[in-house]
Amino acid sequence: DIQMTQSPSTLSASVGDRVTITCRASQTIYNWLAWYQQRPGRAPKLLIYKASTLESGVPSRFSGSGSGTRFTLTISSLQPEDSATYYCQHYSSFPWTFGQGTKVDIK
Amino acid sequence: EVQLVESGGGVVQPGGSLRISCVASEFTFSTYDMNWVRQAPGKGPEWVSNISASGSLTHYVDSVKGRFTISRDNAKKSLFLQMNSLRVEDTAVYYCASGATFFQYWGQGTLVTVSS
Repeated sequence: DIQMTQSPSTLSASVGDRVTITCRASQTIYNWLAWYQQRPGRAPKLLIYKASTLESGVPSRFSGSGSGTRFTLTISSLQPEDSATYYCQHYSSFPWTFGQGTKVDIK
Repeated sequence: EVQLVESGGGVVQPGGSLRISCVASEFTFSTYDMNWVRQAPGKGPEWVSNISASGSLTHYVDSVKGRFTISRDNAKKSLFLQMNSLRVEDTAVYYCASGATFFQYWGQGTLVTVSS
């Protein structure tokens, strides 16, 4: 199985800050990667797929990059509503697996 | 607006069985692969099972193979997960989610608790 490792596990930043989350795969997944946002008590929400394609309706301050084994999710200007846990997920081969999550808090 | 609504969760003893369901609306259900994704308390999501749009092809995570069965009824826009030989570690919120690779639409989830 392909293991997905996110860093950091938690981060605290101020409104307006640029925030970057990293996701690493245990073997190449090409660009078969998605990012999700999950607020407490809610289902995950798709933000980005194919490593860098923004899902319809997702604010443009979110962006994704990377290929192979290293990927990043960037929030260009952090907003209060971005307080949530973020997960990466590969879909290169079965079983599809998620990272352990990065919790983003607002200072 | 696409809606996926799960039901059927509850408390079951270890070794027991449960069948959970998901009904879709405002959604061309029969053209989408569907999935079950679960999330144990305080943990990240875990993909459990996938079924093709026609229902002819299924995939499972190793930990549930031989115990869980995914199925669908396209006429009723419904997805099912039959869970047998349940274990304490199967306790989680179970979400249905659409997609052949990534998960575009999600339901609100149904809680399955396996406990004696």
